[in-house]
Amino acid sequence: KAGVTQTPRYLIKTRGQQVTLSCSPISGHRSVSWYQQTPGQGLQFLFEYFSETQRNKGNFPGRFSGRQFSNSRSEMNVSTLELGDSALYLCASSLGFLGQGKGYEQYFGPGTRLTVT
Amino acid sequence: AQRVTQPEKLLSVFKGAPVELKCNYSYSGSPELFWYVQYSRQRLQLLLRHISRESIKGFTADLNKGETSFHLKKPFAQEEDSAMYYCALNVGAGGTSYGKLTFGQGTILTVHP
Repeated sequence: KAGVTQTPRYLIKTRGQQVTLSCSPISGHRSVSWYQQTPGQGLQFLFEYFSETQRNKGNFPGRFSGRQFSNSRSEMNVSTLELGDSALYLCASSLGFLGQGKGYEQYFGPGTRLTVT
Repeated sequence: AQRVTQPEKLLSVFKGAPVELKCNYSYSGSPELFWYVQYSRQRLQLLLRHISRESIKGFTADLNKGETSFHLKKPFAQEEDSAMYYCALNVGAGGTSYGKLTFGQGTILTVHP
C-alpha cells in the first residue's frame, strides 16, 4: 500500500505571497490532518478533514485554510505569508473512525518544507 | 484542554542498558495515546498505540490512568533505537477530536555503542 504523499517537498516564498500544499492520503483513508512543525513550537495541529468536511481546527489564524476533495486528497493554503510561517508542514491520514479494532492512528507524509523570506 | 508533557528533551544511554522515555498527559476523559518515532531523515511513524498493548521493536508502553502517564520502555537499548520519540494524545471515541493529535515536545534518544 502506498504511503501518504505530499507535494511539493520544498518551497521558498516571499512575505505576502500565498502558497498551496497538497496531500494524498493512503488509499481507503478518509481523514486527513495537517500539522505545523517548528523547532520552537514542535508539532501543532492545524485542521482535520473528513469526507470533505472540516471536522477539527487548531489555534491558527484564518490565513491558514484547507479543503478536501471527494477522493480524500487535501490541500492547505496559507495566504499573506509571514516569516514565522516557515516550517515543515506535515499531513497525516487515517481511517477517521474506529474500525478493525484500531484507534485513530495516523500515518504521516514526508512533509513540505516551506521557507518564507 | 489536553496537554502532553515529555520532561526530557535529551536522553542518552549505552547499548544494552534499559531505557524509559517519560510521557505525562492531562485529559479528564478516556484518552487514546500513541508513541511516534522519527529516525534520522525519515518520516514520523507510529510506534505504539496503547489500545493494542503490543510490543514493537522491543518497546512497550503502559497507560497508567492514576498517574496520567504513558511511559515508553525497552529493557535493552540498541544503537538503531537512536531517534526522536513523540508521545501523542487523541481524545477517545465519543469525543470530537478524532483526527487531532496533541504532541509532546519530543525526546531525542541517543544510544551509545
